[in-house]
Amino acid sequence: VRLVESGGGLVKPGGSLRLSCAASGFIFSDYHMSWFRQAPGKGLEWLSYITATSDIIKYADAVKGRFTISRDNAKNSVFLQMNSLRAEDTAVYYCARSLGDYRPVEPWGQGTLVTVSS
Amino acid sequence: DIVMTQSPLSLSVTPGEPASISCRSSQSLLRSDGHHFLEWYLQKPGQSPQLLIYLSSNRVSGVPDRFSGSGSGTDFTLKISRVEAEDVGVYYCMQALQTPLTFGGGTKVEIK
Repeated sequence: VRLVESGGGLVKPGGSLRLSCAASGFIFSDYHMSWFRQAPGKGLEWLSYITATSDIIKYADAVKGRFTISRDNAKNSVFLQMNSLRAEDTAVYYCARSLGDYRPVEPWGQGTLVTVSS
Repeated sequence: DIVMTQSPLSLSVTPGEPASISCRSSQSLLRSDGHHFLEWYLQKPGQSPQLLIYLSSNRVSGVPDRFSGSGSGTDFTLKISRVEAEDVGVYYCMQALQTPLTFGGGTKVEIK
């Protein structure tokens, strides 16, 4: 099982980024997926959840209306479109498989760093 | 949102000695199926979080049996019976009863 995040980088406040998480080693369409993040030197924060068929999507209040989670089961990938980025969105972003009761399943990805700065 | 409070903030432990981390939730994590939706993670330096304990007291396959989780309702504990050098890192509790999933602030464990 492997999850590989990509798409991070330096972006100016107000800008956009699209993160990708490529999955392998398991039947992607059988699993729900989640995104988490960790600001530098800080704790962990849940961001978003999408079911296997994309029929249920959940967001944390901190990103609702700015971030959009989606997935492409044919490409074994989940995405996080991040708009209107703020300095406080600077963090390492992780994806993880999740169960139907929202619990993440091992392993998480290695993370991708997003830096929002002018 | 459910608020998770961990203590202590940090622990300095002599190898071979026990360690205990407390986690308290602002509301009961007991679901109607009888499970407590409390997970324990360890984030080793420079690594992604790794799950140690799920549903309050179930050890993940491959996790050494020196790790144990207990508790109910709103009070939970992670115990390490004999700390080893490889146990250093930050330990987080997380509630998965409802979204938003929320984490405790973390407990940093270091070796004396």
